[in-house]
Amino acid sequence: GQQVMQIPQYQHVQEGEDFTTYCNSSTTLSNIQWYKQRPGGHPVFLIQLVKSGEVKKQKRLTFQFGEAKKNSSLHITATQTTDVGTYFCAGNQAGTALIFGKGTTLSVSS
Amino acid sequence: NAGVTQTPKFQVLKTGQSMTLQCAQDMNHEYMSWYRQDPGMGLRLIHYSVGAGITDQGEVPNGYNVSRSTTEDFPLRLLSAAPSQTSVYFCASSYGGTGREKLFFGSGTQLSVL
Repeated sequence: GQQVMQIPQYQHVQEGEDFTTYCNSSTTLSNIQWYKQRPGGHPVFLIQLVKSGEVKKQKRLTFQFGEAKKNSSLHITATQTTDVGTYFCAGNQAGTALIFGKGTTLSVSS
Repeated sequence: NAGVTQTPKFQVLKTGQSMTLQCAQDMNHEYMSWYRQDPGMGLRLIHYSVGAGITDQGEVPNGYNVSRSTTEDFPLRLLSAAPSQTSVYFCASSYGGTGREKLFFGSGTQLSVL
């Protein structure tokens, strides 16, 4: 079945350093979505990527969708303590339900 | 506008007991789904529904039943709880059909089965 792999599982950075998490699928995806879950909270939608090679930015966050629509990345520039949490990618093939990766948990020390 | 409401927030069951986790949304969303979250396992899809009267299985459906009699409600039933079902359960909904639109999550139900 469809699988979405996400690496790394954990990442610790010093405040101000950059952070990247990667998402890879065994199949071509119709779209990919990114979510953030703060400790003790629920996942909150960040962004959706649909087009091959698409790049979207939200302030210090940059999201990319690969040319083959099988991989994606989230890059955070100059991390802040407010970036702490678990970042999930989720993808699907057309007509199927969203499948989530296992997430990358980011911790930031000041 | 409450969004997605889950009840209860916490529940402790004994092995073999049954219970229903409630999920309701007031956004007129067609799509509703249930996920469970376990440490290191991410969010795994249990069941989902693309509209009233229609349900389908996700990645880990065994031990769980669902029904969708109205657009607003999507309850998750555990018929005979097992310790392996100890988890945090999230209900999520979206406006569009399967996987096309962003998901809105409820605040979760933390379930412990002893």
